[in-house]
Amino acid sequence: SQKIEQNSEALNIQEGKTATLTCNYTNYSPAYLQWYRQDPGRGPVFLLLIRENEKEKRKERLKVTFDTTLKQSLFHITASQPADSATYLCALEGGGNKLTFGTGTQLKVEL
Amino acid sequence: DVKVTQSSRYLVKRTGEKVFLECVQDMDHENMFWYRQDPGLGLRLIYFSYDVKMKEKGDIPEGYSVSREKKERFSLILESASTNQTSMYLCASSMVNTEAFFGQGTRLTVV
Repeated sequence: SQKIEQNSEALNIQEGKTATLTCNYTNYSPAYLQWYRQDPGRGPVFLLLIRENEKEKRKERLKVTFDTTLKQSLFHITASQPADSATYLCALEGGGNKLTFGTGTQLKVEL
Repeated sequence: DVKVTQSSRYLVKRTGEKVFLECVQDMDHENMFWYRQDPGLGLRLIYFSYDVKMKEKGDIPEGYSVSREKKERFSLILESASTNQTSMYLCASSMVNTEAFFGQGTRLTVV
């Protein structure tokens, strides 16, 4: 069966460090993968999209990698700040425009 | 700015009631989605639509139906609400193969 796995345990890091979140998937052949941020009580907000022919994508302090052989994406936040604390979700297009999300990883950036 | 608007922020309904959740987007997006989000389970896709009058079942369609009579509006219908449908409901829209934009969510409580 198709599965998207993100680390369900919260990730706690110190301010200024790099946070790395993982998204693994099985039985998908996605044309692209997306990352979203979600704050409590709000809908997810799009951050980055990376296509299957791209290895890496950057946006300000964010970096996403996509390894279709390993079936894995890594999401990095450099120079993390307390304002980066949120839940981060990865999402895959599962065929026919169907967009499926992982369960998300909660990130806490401490002073 | 893209706007996805859900008709209610909070809703309380009785068991057995027929419930309508409305979602409107203002960017002429082809795709629209309904998800529910529960602690520990992440976002689960209920139904999605890729065109007017077209719909596809997501991962958990049981107990729900949808309607898309106009491109900008996608309605989720709970035919006979039950307590296990108490949840946060999120609507989203997107162009084909691009990022999704989410509404603010409807927190539904069925008593």
